[in-house]
Amino acid sequence: GENVEQHPSTLSVQEGDSAVIKCTYSDSASNYFPWYKQELGKRPQLIIDIRSNVGEKKDQRIAVTLNKTAKHFSLHITETQPEDSAVYFCAASNYGQNFVFGPGTRLSVLP
Amino acid sequence: DAGVIQSPRHEVTEMGQEVTLRCKPISGHNSLFWYRQTMMRGLELLIYFNNNVPIDDSGMPEDRFSAKMPNASFSTLKIQPSEPRDSAVYFCASSLKQVDTEAFFGQGTRLTVV
Repeated sequence: GENVEQHPSTLSVQEGDSAVIKCTYSDSASNYFPWYKQELGKRPQLIIDIRSNVGEKKDQRIAVTLNKTAKHFSLHITETQPEDSAVYFCAASNYGQNFVFGPGTRLSVLP
Repeated sequence: DAGVIQSPRHEVTEMGQEVTLRCKPISGHNSLFWYRQTMMRGLELLIYFNNNVPIDDSGMPEDRFSAKMPNASFSTLKIQPSEPRDSAVYFCASSLKQVDTEAFFGQGTRLTVV
């Protein structure tokens, strides 16, 4: 089955700096790669996603890149703000089934 | 749509008791997932269903855990007998299979086994 790894497990950045989180997956059949943000005590919620026919996608301060050959994808957050502090999860899915999540990255944005 | 609905939100039970967690997926979604979240293990996929049929239950930790989906609008996750190490937040999520779309999570059930 699918296995998703994620690094780093914790990340601290100064407000205004960039943050990068990297994930790798094992199943070459996976074709959908969402990123979720989970604030303390709340449910995970989607912040951005990318499909296998796209190499990069951007939404304001958030961007995601995908390298299908190497089976890795990354989340980039620019101009970080304190409200970006949360746990971020990457995931891999094959046509909307078998969503497997990485172990998560705890991001702290320091004022 | 009200989103994915889970009940109860909190459950405290004694070791050895049976626990049943409930989930109502988003109407029209045909994939349903059960996850367990702990600090040590993160978000573990326990089981998922497509069109009410269990597809992969390899994540179910032990025979004490069982899940059912009798119809498209309801699923249960049962633990019998419960143990303190089952304490965790259990999330249900649903999505639309065959379309590259996100899985929507319910609010979760915080289970404490004492």
